[in-house]
Amino acid sequence: DVKVTQSSRYLVKRTGEKVFLECVQDMDHENMFWYRQDPGLGLRLIYFSYDVKMKEKGDIPEGYSVSREKKERFSLILESASTNQTSMYLCASRSTGGANEKLFFGSGTQLSVL
Amino acid sequence: GQNIDQPTEMTATEGAIVQINCTYQTSGFNGLFWYQQHAGEAPTFLSYNVLDGLEEKGRFSSFLSRSKGYSYLLLKELQMKDSASYLCAVRAPNDMRFGAGTRLTVKP
Repeated sequence: DVKVTQSSRYLVKRTGEKVFLECVQDMDHENMFWYRQDPGLGLRLIYFSYDVKMKEKGDIPEGYSVSREKKERFSLILESASTNQTSMYLCASRSTGGANEKLFFGSGTQLSVL
Repeated sequence: GQNIDQPTEMTATEGAIVQINCTYQTSGFNGLFWYQQHAGEAPTFLSYNVLDGLEEKGRFSSFLSRSKGYSYLLLKELQMKDSASYLCAVRAPNDMRFGAGTRLTVKP
């Protein structure tokens, strides 16, 4: 069965801390995505990667960076966490086999920045 | 720019039919997806349209008009378990962007 695993379900951090959110997929997918989800705003794309060591900014990249050193792992980094980064973070992956390839999502990480 | 609009909330009765609309304006279009998301869970795939017309899958159908930038998700014979958020998403060549989602409440 396909699987996208996010390292933490809940995370509490302090303002100014460096935060790493890890995502691993076991489907050999080329594309990986990081979204944040906030009430009333839906899923907003932070960064995506269409291959190893490749990354593209989404709609709200400010305050975030990413790393894709291996195909199966896509990390989201908050260099200096701020309270407005409190949110649900969702990782997703997708094959590039066809236009109808759907996203597979991880269970999400609820991050609280105090 | 990217703009994907759908109603914020809808309410319907068990056994009824409900239509959730989505309009979009995006740079690039490689298909439109609908996802279902129950509270506290990750989104799961429901349907995909790339050509104009209706795609039917059991109780769920999805329609697309590319010239109008319009899609809808039709849910028939509503069940209580259909209470969830329904997310419209548009695929550009490499990325995928979502609307804010429609929260559907099914009442007995």
